[in-house]
Amino acid sequence: NAGVTQTPKFRVLKTGQSMTLLCAQDMNHEYMYWYRQDPGMGLRLIHYSVGEGTTAKGEVPDGYNVSRLKKQNFLLGLESAAPSQTSVYFCASSYSRDGYTFGSGTRLTVV
Amino acid sequence: QKEVEQDPGPLSVPEGAIVSLNCTYSNSAFQYFMWYRQYSRKGPELLMYTYSSGNKEDGRFTAQVDKSSKYISLFIRDSQPSDSATYLCAMSARSNYQLIWGAGTKLIIKP
Repeated sequence: NAGVTQTPKFRVLKTGQSMTLLCAQDMNHEYMYWYRQDPGMGLRLIHYSVGEGTTAKGEVPDGYNVSRLKKQNFLLGLESAAPSQTSVYFCASSYSRDGYTFGSGTRLTVV
Repeated sequence: QKEVEQDPGPLSVPEGAIVSLNCTYSNSAFQYFMWYRQYSRKGPELLMYTYSSGNKEDGRFTAQVDKSSKYISLFIRDSQPSDSATYLCAMSARSNYQLIWGAGTKLIIKP
C-alpha cells in the first residue's frame, strides 16, 4: 500500500528553468492538494483538486500550474523557476474531512 | 492576524513528562480539528481528529477542543524520545474541505 508517492524527492533548478512534480495516490481519493512548507510559515496551499479534471487556486498559486487528467495523479508545474520557489513541496490526498494523507515531500532548490 | 496561531517552540521537556501543545483560532465556523505529527524530512501524518467540542483520547494522546475560547490542545502523557517531532494543528469549517494550518510546534523530548 503505497499511499501518496511524490517524484522526484530532490531537485536543483537554475532560475528560469521549468519542471513538473508528480504526485500519485492509490487510495481512490477524490481530493488532492499541493502545499509548500517554508520555515516558520507552516503549510501553504498552492492548488487543489476536488476531482478528476478539476483544479482550483489555493493561498499561494502564483508561478505554479497544475493538472489532474487522471484521478490518481496530480501534477504541479513550475514554468519559470525563481529562487523564491525554493521550498519543500508536499502533495496530499483525502477522501473527506477525516484527514489528509501526505507524501514524503520534494525538496526543491532554485539557484 | 493569522486565522490559526501556534507557538513554534521549540518546546523541550524531559522523558516521561506530560506535554501540552496548543493552538488558538479566530474563525468561529471551524468545526473539524486535527493534529498532525511531522518527523524531520517526512510528510505530516494524522494523529488526532476531533469534531466540534470535547475531548478525544487515543493511547497516550488526548485532543481537547474548547470552542467557546477558540482554543485546542493536544496532551501527550508519558512522553518518549520518539515523540520528538513538529506538531501541526489544522482545522476546517463545515462548508469546505480545505484545512487551515498552524505553523507547527517543534517538540523535543530529552532522554
